[in-house]
Amino acid sequence: DTEVTQTPKHLVMGMTNKKSLKCEQHMGHRAMYWYKQKAKKPPELMFVYSYEKLSINESVPSRFSPECPNSSLLNLHLHALQPEDSALYLCASSHIDLISYNEQFFGPGTRLTVL
Amino acid sequence: KQEVTQIPAALSVPEGENLVLNCSFTDSAIYNLQWFRQDPGKGLTSLLLIQSSQREQTSGRLNASLDKSSGRSTLYIAASQPGDSATYLCAVNRNQFYFGTGTSLTVIP
Repeated sequence: DTEVTQTPKHLVMGMTNKKSLKCEQHMGHRAMYWYKQKAKKPPELMFVYSYEKLSINESVPSRFSPECPNSSLLNLHLHALQPEDSALYLCASSHIDLISYNEQFFGPGTRLTVL
Repeated sequence: KQEVTQIPAALSVPEGENLVLNCSFTDSAIYNLQWFRQDPGKGLTSLLLIQSSQREQTSGRLNASLDKSSGRSTLYIAASQPGDSATYLCAVNRNQFYFGTGTSLTVIP
């Protein structure tokens, strides 16, 4: 199974809402990533979890709150977002131990619209 | 910080043509380099992974090369098809993945 799943596929939320994005993989990967991608731009790294611990936070605003409850799941909690946060949010995973073999696998993404 | 650039930004070719996409990076101390394909509004599909010790990798009509010393990788697509139309991204791995700016490819039937 080389699949990363993400739910929901689409999400529309108001600026006062609280919502969560979910990501799951069953490839035994111990690194999981959240990326934000705006139209016609490359993905921008937001967070990295290694062995279920937050290892990289690319100065992301606190209205985005990641969580890694176990080695297969990754959540992104959203609160008080701004319209400029509308984007495609991508989850990815990879191995850690064999660095040169670290192939990233991406989910289909969640298209987020903030009204 | 690693800077990754892809040239050209956009490319339009007739069906059947062979083509080359370029990826340049500034720091040669990488673990590996990965090429992806992205269709509009979709996630990224991994095409090829080249380890730092390798010079090239092949998968079907795709061939990717890596020259670490010069900070370059190329993706060669043979006999292009309309279904190859997508954005192609390269990403270099050194502690984290650094993405290139992408090449938008259109293959005209």
